[in-house]
Amino acid sequence: GQNIDQPTEMTATEGAIVQINCTYQTSGFNGLFWYQQHAGEAPTFLSYNVLDGLEEKGRFSSFLSRSKGYSYLLLKELQMKDSASYLCAVSDSNYQLIWGAGTKLIIKP
Amino acid sequence: ETGVTQTPRHLVMGMTNKKSLKCEQHLGHNAMYWYKQSAKKPLELMFVYNFKEQTENNSVPSRFSPECPNSSHLFLHLHTLQPEDSALYLCASSQDLTGGGDTQYFGPGTRLTVL
Repeated sequence: GQNIDQPTEMTATEGAIVQINCTYQTSGFNGLFWYQQHAGEAPTFLSYNVLDGLEEKGRFSSFLSRSKGYSYLLLKELQMKDSASYLCAVSDSNYQLIWGAGTKLIIKP
Repeated sequence: ETGVTQTPRHLVMGMTNKKSLKCEQHLGHNAMYWYKQSAKKPLELMFVYNFKEQTENNSVPSRFSPECPNSSHLFLHLHTLQPEDSALYLCASSQDLTGGGDTQYFGPGTRLTVL
């Protein structure tokens, strides 16, 4: 079967750095997405990785290792507005997105 | 503003009611999706439409009936629902279905409560 694993909840301090991990087992791989979802709002696109390595976009970076079936989202200089759920999703061989259950990130002052 | 709107934002209905959810995308995309999001569970893909044609139906009960009159509009018709159908229903759109990097853009969802 297809499976995406990510921690249920994480807590971090304002101004710090946090890494949210995602491991996957899917039938085929056509890229990995990270989305941010604030409570009661739409998921919004953060990043897409299809090749191994680190993609940096401002305070957010995303890393992919296809051989390990592993990705992480790195958030730097955390702000209170970063409190949200972070969703990992993999595009499988049929280009269908397989989703993780999301990681709820709590930022404390 | 993501360019995908959904109405209503909140809906409470009894098990014998019939209601419809509406989604509209203003992005010029060709593919549209319905997802169910339950607490602490992964997003569940329900239906996919590409150029108004249904391409996926992930074993969704017949009490959920989708309709896609054109590439910009998507409906989800609901009838004789069960309390376990209470969830957030999200609509999304993407440029096409092919290509792994085709980003999906989501609407804000309809929070459905079935009594």
